[in-house]
Amino acid sequence: DAGITQSPRHKVTETGTPVTLRCHQTENHRYMYWYRQDPGHGLRLIHYSYGVKDTDKGEVSDGYSVSRSKTEDFLLTLESATSSQTSVYFCAISDIRAYEQYFGPGTRLTVT
Amino acid sequence: GNSVTQMEGPVTLSEEAFLTINCTYTATGYPSLFWYVQYPGEGLQLLLKATKADDKGSNKGFEATYRKETTSFHLEKGSVQVSDSAVYFCAHTTLTGGSYIPTFGRGTSLIVHP
Repeated sequence: DAGITQSPRHKVTETGTPVTLRCHQTENHRYMYWYRQDPGHGLRLIHYSYGVKDTDKGEVSDGYSVSRSKTEDFLLTLESATSSQTSVYFCAISDIRAYEQYFGPGTRLTVT
Repeated sequence: GNSVTQMEGPVTLSEEAFLTINCTYTATGYPSLFWYVQYPGEGLQLLLKATKADDKGSNKGFEATYRKETTSFHLEKGSVQVSDSAVYFCAHTTLTGGSYIPTFGRGTSLIVHP
Protein backbone atom coordinates (compact mmCIF):
# COMPACT_ATOMS: atom_id res chain seq x y z
CA ASP A 1 0.00 0.00 0.00
CA ALA A 2 1.12 3.52 -0.84
CA GLY A 3 2.29 5.49 2.17
CA ILE A 4 -0.23 8.27 2.44
CA THR A 5 -1.79 9.64 5.62
CA GLN A 6 -4.25 12.39 6.40
CA SER A 7 -4.70 14.38 9.58
CA PRO A 8 -6.91 14.91 11.39
CA ARG A 9 -9.23 12.01 10.55
CA HIS A 10 -12.24 13.72 12.07
CA LYS A 11 -12.89 17.36 12.87
CA VAL A 12 -15.85 19.40 14.03
CA THR A 13 -15.52 23.15 13.74
CA GLU A 14 -17.71 26.24 13.84
CA THR A 15 -18.72 28.44 10.94
CA GLY A 16 -16.20 31.19 10.29
CA THR A 17 -13.17 29.46 11.79
CA PRO A 18 -10.07 28.56 9.76
CA VAL A 19 -9.29 24.87 9.23
CA THR A 20 -6.19 23.17 7.82
CA LEU A 21 -6.09 19.57 6.67
CA ARG A 22 -2.78 17.82 6.11
CA CYS A 23 -1.79 15.15 3.62
CA HIS A 24 1.55 13.40 4.02
CA GLN A 25 3.17 10.91 1.64
CA THR A 26 6.27 8.77 1.86
CA GLU A 27 6.31 7.73 -1.84
CA ASN A 28 8.05 10.79 -3.30
CA HIS A 29 5.29 11.10 -5.92
CA ARG A 30 5.15 14.31 -7.92
CA TYR A 31 1.39 14.82 -8.08
CA MET A 32 -0.89 15.40 -5.09
CA TYR A 33 -4.64 16.07 -5.17
CA TRP A 34 -7.37 17.18 -2.80
CA TYR A 35 -10.96 15.99 -3.37
CA ARG A 36 -14.23 16.31 -1.56
CA GLN A 37 -16.83 13.53 -1.58
CA ASP A 38 -20.51 14.30 -1.13
CA PRO A 39 -23.60 12.15 -1.69
CA GLY A 40 -24.89 12.55 -5.23
CA HIS A 41 -21.76 14.32 -6.42
CA GLY A 42 -19.15 11.61 -6.28
CA LEU A 43 -15.58 12.85 -6.07
CA ARG A 44 -14.81 16.45 -7.01
CA LEU A 45 -11.32 17.90 -7.44
CA ILE A 46 -10.56 20.94 -5.27
CA HIS A 47 -6.88 21.67 -5.97
CA TYR A 48 -3.88 19.76 -7.15
CA SER A 49 -0.11 20.10 -7.11
CA TYR A 50 2.39 19.01 -9.74
CA GLY A 51 5.48 19.85 -7.72
CA VAL A 52 6.81 21.84 -4.76
CA LYS A 53 5.20 25.28 -4.80
CA ASP A 54 3.34 24.37 -8.03
CA THR A 55 -0.42 24.19 -7.54
CA ASP A 56 -3.56 24.75 -9.58
CA LYS A 57 -7.32 24.91 -9.13
CA GLY A 58 -9.79 22.12 -9.68
CA GLU A 59 -13.52 22.33 -10.37
CA VAL A 60 -14.61 23.34 -6.83
CA SER A 61 -11.77 25.54 -5.55
CA ASP A 62 -13.79 28.51 -4.21
CA GLY A 63 -13.26 28.91 -0.45
CA TYR A 64 -10.16 26.68 -0.41
CA SER A 65 -6.43 27.33 -0.66
CA VAL A 66 -3.48 24.95 -0.72
CA SER A 67 0.23 24.96 -0.12
CA ARG A 68 3.04 22.56 -0.87
CA SER A 69 6.42 23.57 0.57
CA LYS A 70 7.83 20.02 0.61
CA THR A 71 7.36 17.06 -1.72
CA GLU A 72 5.77 15.00 1.03
CA ASP A 73 3.20 17.46 2.40
CA PHE A 74 0.13 19.06 0.81
CA LEU A 75 -2.04 21.29 2.99
CA LEU A 76 -5.66 22.24 2.35
CA THR A 77 -6.94 25.36 4.14
CA LEU A 78 -10.48 26.57 4.57
CA GLU A 79 -9.93 30.24 5.43
CA SER A 80 -13.39 30.69 6.91
CA ALA A 81 -15.34 27.46 7.10
CA THR A 82 -18.98 27.35 6.02
CA SER A 83 -21.63 24.66 6.49
CA SER A 84 -21.48 23.87 2.75
CA GLN A 85 -17.91 22.67 3.30
CA THR A 86 -19.10 19.84 5.53
CA SER A 87 -17.81 16.83 3.63
CA VAL A 88 -15.34 13.98 3.51
CA TYR A 89 -11.99 15.13 2.13
CA PHE A 90 -9.60 12.79 0.38
CA CYS A 91 -6.01 13.31 -0.59
CA ALA A 92 -4.46 11.33 -3.44
CA ILE A 93 -0.99 10.97 -4.91
CA SER A 94 0.18 9.95 -8.34
CA ASP A 95 3.39 9.05 -10.09
CA ILE A 96 2.86 10.39 -13.60
CA ARG A 97 4.48 7.35 -15.15
CA ALA A 98 1.59 5.22 -13.90
CA TYR A 99 -1.27 7.74 -14.03
CA GLU A 100 -3.32 5.94 -11.38
CA GLN A 101 -3.90 7.53 -8.00
CA TYR A 102 -3.43 6.26 -4.48
CA PHE A 103 -5.83 7.61 -1.89
CA GLY A 104 -5.54 8.46 1.76
CA PRO A 105 -8.11 7.29 4.34
CA GLY A 106 -10.04 10.56 4.31
CA THR A 107 -10.92 13.33 6.76
CA ARG A 108 -14.51 13.80 7.86
CA LEU A 109 -15.10 17.52 8.44
CA THR A 110 -18.27 18.87 10.02
CA VAL A 111 -18.90 22.62 10.09
CA THR A 112 -21.62 23.60 12.57
CA GLY B 1 -14.98 19.04 -21.91
CA ASN B 2 -13.95 16.04 -19.87
CA SER B 3 -16.60 13.95 -18.13
CA VAL B 4 -17.41 10.43 -16.95
CA THR B 5 -20.94 9.05 -16.81
CA GLN B 6 -21.75 5.84 -15.00
CA MET B 7 -25.01 4.12 -14.28
CA GLU B 8 -26.85 5.18 -11.17
CA GLY B 9 -27.23 2.76 -8.35
CA PRO B 10 -27.75 1.05 -6.19
CA VAL B 11 -27.26 -2.14 -8.14
CA THR B 12 -28.64 -5.03 -6.09
CA LEU B 13 -27.69 -8.61 -6.97
CA SER B 14 -27.76 -12.05 -5.47
CA GLU B 15 -24.50 -13.85 -4.83
CA GLU B 16 -23.04 -15.54 -7.96
CA ALA B 17 -24.98 -13.25 -10.33
CA PHE B 18 -23.34 -11.53 -13.31
CA LEU B 19 -22.39 -7.89 -12.85
CA THR B 20 -22.19 -5.08 -15.38
CA ILE B 21 -21.69 -1.44 -14.46
CA ASN B 22 -21.76 0.86 -17.47
CA CYS B 23 -19.31 3.73 -17.91
CA THR B 24 -18.94 6.16 -20.80
CA TYR B 25 -16.63 9.12 -21.07
CA THR B 26 -15.78 12.25 -22.99
CA ALA B 27 -12.20 13.41 -23.09
CA THR B 28 -9.75 15.44 -25.07
CA GLY B 29 -6.76 13.53 -26.31
CA TYR B 30 -6.13 9.91 -25.32
CA PRO B 31 -7.15 9.24 -21.73
CA SER B 32 -6.14 6.41 -19.47
CA LEU B 33 -9.18 4.69 -17.94
CA PHE B 34 -9.65 3.33 -14.43
CA TRP B 35 -12.05 1.63 -12.11
CA TYR B 36 -11.70 2.31 -8.39
CA VAL B 37 -13.53 0.64 -5.50
CA GLN B 38 -14.45 2.18 -2.16
CA TYR B 39 -15.41 0.06 0.85
CA PRO B 40 -17.34 1.70 3.71
CA GLY B 41 -15.25 4.12 5.74
CA GLU B 42 -12.21 3.83 3.49
CA GLY B 43 -10.52 5.70 0.67
CA LEU B 44 -10.67 4.63 -2.95
CA GLN B 45 -8.49 1.78 -4.17
CA LEU B 46 -7.47 1.11 -7.74
CA LEU B 47 -9.33 -1.95 -9.06
CA LEU B 48 -8.08 -2.06 -12.67
CA LYS B 49 -6.87 0.15 -15.48
CA ALA B 50 -6.37 0.36 -19.25
CA THR B 51 -4.09 2.84 -20.96
CA LYS B 52 -4.88 2.41 -24.66
CA ALA B 53 -7.67 1.35 -26.99
CA ASP B 54 -8.67 -2.36 -26.88
CA ASP B 55 -6.67 -2.95 -23.70
CA LYS B 56 -8.44 -5.12 -21.13
CA GLY B 57 -7.85 -4.42 -17.47
CA SER B 58 -8.54 -7.21 -15.00
CA ASN B 59 -8.21 -7.86 -11.28
CA LYS B 60 -9.96 -10.07 -8.70
CA GLY B 61 -12.34 -11.45 -11.33
CA PHE B 62 -13.36 -7.99 -12.56
CA GLU B 63 -12.72 -6.96 -16.17
CA ALA B 64 -13.16 -3.88 -18.34
CA THR B 65 -12.18 -3.22 -21.96
CA TYR B 66 -11.16 0.19 -23.33
CA ARG B 67 -13.55 0.79 -26.24
CA LYS B 68 -12.47 3.92 -28.08
CA GLU B 69 -15.15 3.65 -30.77
CA THR B 70 -17.96 3.75 -28.20
CA THR B 71 -15.99 5.76 -25.57
CA SER B 72 -16.89 3.16 -22.97
CA PHE B 73 -15.19 1.18 -20.19
CA HIS B 74 -17.87 -1.09 -18.71
CA LEU B 75 -17.03 -3.10 -15.60
CA GLU B 76 -17.99 -6.79 -15.53
CA LYS B 77 -17.68 -9.75 -13.19
CA GLY B 78 -18.99 -13.21 -13.87
CA SER B 79 -19.98 -14.18 -10.33
CA VAL B 80 -20.23 -11.59 -7.57
CA GLN B 81 -19.71 -12.28 -3.88
CA VAL B 82 -21.10 -10.57 -0.80
CA SER B 83 -17.62 -9.16 -0.20
CA ASP B 84 -17.86 -7.23 -3.51
CA SER B 85 -20.45 -4.92 -1.95
CA ALA B 86 -18.93 -1.44 -2.28
CA VAL B 87 -19.09 1.74 -4.34
CA TYR B 88 -17.39 1.59 -7.75
CA PHE B 89 -16.01 4.66 -9.53
CA CYS B 90 -15.09 4.97 -13.18
CA ALA B 91 -12.43 7.58 -13.95
CA HIS B 92 -10.05 8.86 -16.56
CA THR B 93 -6.86 10.90 -16.57
CA THR B 94 -5.97 13.25 -19.38
CA LEU B 95 -2.98 15.45 -20.06
CA THR B 96 -4.40 18.97 -19.93
CA GLY B 97 -2.25 22.09 -20.09
CA GLY B 98 0.84 20.09 -19.19
CA SER B 99 -0.69 18.44 -16.11
CA TYR B 100 -2.42 15.10 -15.56
CA ILE B 101 -6.01 15.87 -14.57
CA PRO B 102 -8.33 13.12 -13.28
CA THR B 103 -12.10 13.08 -13.75
CA PHE B 104 -14.37 10.75 -11.78
CA GLY B 105 -17.89 9.50 -12.28
CA ARG B 106 -20.40 9.83 -9.45
CA GLY B 107 -19.99 6.24 -8.31
CA THR B 108 -22.27 3.20 -8.40
CA SER B 109 -23.21 1.41 -5.22
CA LEU B 110 -23.27 -2.39 -5.47
CA ILE B 111 -25.14 -4.46 -2.89
CA VAL B 112 -24.76 -8.23 -3.05
CA HIS B 113 -27.16 -10.41 -1.02
CA PRO B 114 -26.33 -13.96 0.12
